[in-house]
Order: sequence, then structure tokens, then C-alpha cells
Amino acid sequence: KNQVEQSPQSLIILEGKNCTLQCNYTVSPFSNLRWYKQDTGRGPVSLTIMTFSENTKSNGRYTATLDADTKQSSLHITASQLSDSASYICVVSAGRGGYNKLIFGAGTRLAVHP
Amino acid sequence: DAGVTQSPTHLIKTRGQQVTLRCSPKSGHDTVSWYQQALGQGPQFIFQYYEEEERQRGNFPDRFSGHQYPNYSSELNVNALLLGDSALYLCASRARGLNSPLHFGNGTRLTVT
Repeated sequence: KNQVEQSPQSLIILEGKNCTLQCNYTVSPFSNLRWYKQDTGRGPVSLTIMTFSENTKSNGRYTATLDADTKQSSLHITASQLSDSASYICVVSAGRGGYNKLIFGAGTRLAVHP
Repeated sequence: DAGVTQSPTHLIKTRGQQVTLRCSPKSGHDTVSWYQQALGQGPQFIFQYYEEEERQRGNFPDRFSGHQYPNYSSELNVNALLLGDSALYLCASRARGLNSPLHFGNGTRLTVT
């Protein structure tokens, strides 16, 4: 069964600190993995995409990693800001061409406190 | 360039009623999908439309139906509403291409009383 599990479920950190969010998946065949940020009351917005051959990709203070062997991804946030408070959703695409199936994680709710 | 727009933003309905939610995709996008997001949960895939036909469907009953128009806009219809249908309904559009990201609207918050 295709599944995406995220941890922790929620996280509280102080402004300026770093944090790492985890995503484990059992999806086959794997196509790509994307991290989305969802602010309260808004739709999710794509942060970064990881394909099978990519290990690390950065987008500003966000760095995503992918280990295709262990089927794990992480999202590292550096020097957190209050605006980083949001839910972070890991989405894995399964399939080979055509319209792939997207499997969503339940998200990690991050709260950054001053 | 407008992104994905959804209407209405909020809606309150009574059990047993029917509801229609609307979505206009981002300019240049031809594929629209709908998601149900319960509080504190990730989005759950309802169905996807392309070329005015339903192409994929998640584990939702037939009470959930949709439509896509020639201009790519889409509707989600839910019949015989249940209390458990209360959720945020998200519409997303995407361009063609395996790695094209989903662009989400800000959703319609449906409350069933």
C-alpha cells in the first residue's frame, strides 16, 4: 500500500533555531517527492521537488534531502523565522508517465515562537 | 496573472442538502484536481479532471461528483451532505509535465450542521 508518513506531528521551536522535518514513504514506483508549505487558511505552496537522482536541494533557508534507498526525505529549516509557522506537507508521486498518483502525508505543524 | 481561485470562501449547509463549489485554474493549466482536508490532516484526493473528463478518483463515495468546462474551470458537487463532510475543500491545477507542481487555491471552508 502506498503510504507517506511524516514526523513529528507537531513541533515548537524558538525564532532563530534550526529544525528538521522527516518524511518516510512506501510508494512504488517512485517518481518524485515534493514538499509543500501550508499557511493557516491558505492552500499549500510548493517549496521544492526531489527526483530519484537528487540527494539535496536548497530553496533559501529550506534544504530538502532524499535517500531513495531508505525511502526517506527530510526538510531542514535554517535560522527559523516567525513566518515559517505553518504546516509542511510531504507529497510523493507514484507512477511512470501519464498522470501519476499523488500520495499526501498528514503534515508537520511547525510553530515558531519569539 | 491570477492563480487558482475558488468560490465561495466559506459555506454553511444543513445535513441532507447539496452543495456546489467552484474553481478557476491558473492561466495555462488544463488539469484540475480536488482535495478534502479535515482539520489537522493532510489533503485527501477526491478526483482529477482533464479534457472535461474524470481521469482519476480517490476513495470518495458517488455523492461526490464533478465537472470540468471547456475553459478548464471546474465544479465539485456534494449531495446528501453529512456532518463528516465538513472540511476545507481545495482545488489545485497543474500544467502538463511529470514534475509540474500543483498550484492550490485557498479553499472553500464547508461547515455542515
